[in-house]
Amino acid sequence: KQEVTQIPAALSVPEGENLVLNCSFTDSAIYNLQWFRQDPGKGLTSLLLIQSSQREQTSGRLNASLDKSSGRSTLYIAASQPGDSATYLCAPEYPNTGNQFYFGTGTSLTVIP
Amino acid sequence: DAGVTQSPTHLIKTRGQQVTLRCSPKSGHDTVSWYQQALGQGPQFIFQYYEEEERQRGNFPDRFSGHQFPNYSSELNVNALLLGDSALYLCASSWGTGWSGDNEQFFGPGTRLTVL
Repeated sequence: KQEVTQIPAALSVPEGENLVLNCSFTDSAIYNLQWFRQDPGKGLTSLLLIQSSQREQTSGRLNASLDKSSGRSTLYIAASQPGDSATYLCAPEYPNTGNQFYFGTGTSLTVIP
Repeated sequence: DAGVTQSPTHLIKTRGQQVTLRCSPKSGHDTVSWYQQALGQGPQFIFQYYEEEERQRGNFPDRFSGHQFPNYSSELNVNALLLGDSALYLCASSWGTGWSGDNEQFFGPGTRLTVL
């Protein structure tokens, strides 16, 4: 069974700080990995998709990297803002699972103004 | 371009009842997946529909069933509701079944189901 662990479970930082969220998965034979953001009680918003042939992706202040061999991905958020406060979820996808994602419990981020 | 839409937003049912949730995929997408997210947990995969057939299924009982229509929209049905079925139900859409492995998935806002 594929398991996903996200560390830390919760994080509180002052506005403007750079931060790193960690994701590890037990089965390194993944295809893709997608990072999502979820606001309380809401759906998931796609942030970044790292495809099978890539090692990292960047979008604005966000950068995600993927190391398949070690079973790890990191999401780097630069110059954090209060609007970044949310739960961040990583989701690896495995071959032959038809786009099935495996989720951990996420990292709850609070950015203090 | 409308994203993934789901209805209803909220739903309250009692134990033993049946419920139907609906999802319309993002324009251009033909694959719909359903997830259950209990409070404080990550989403768990229920099943996926492509070409009007169930293609993949997670570890959920037969009380959970679904359907996909020719316009790619989908329904999730849950029979004999239990208290433990209370959760946020999320729909995700993508193009293709993921055989290429490069298909980004987009999620809807979810339906909050409360079973009393």
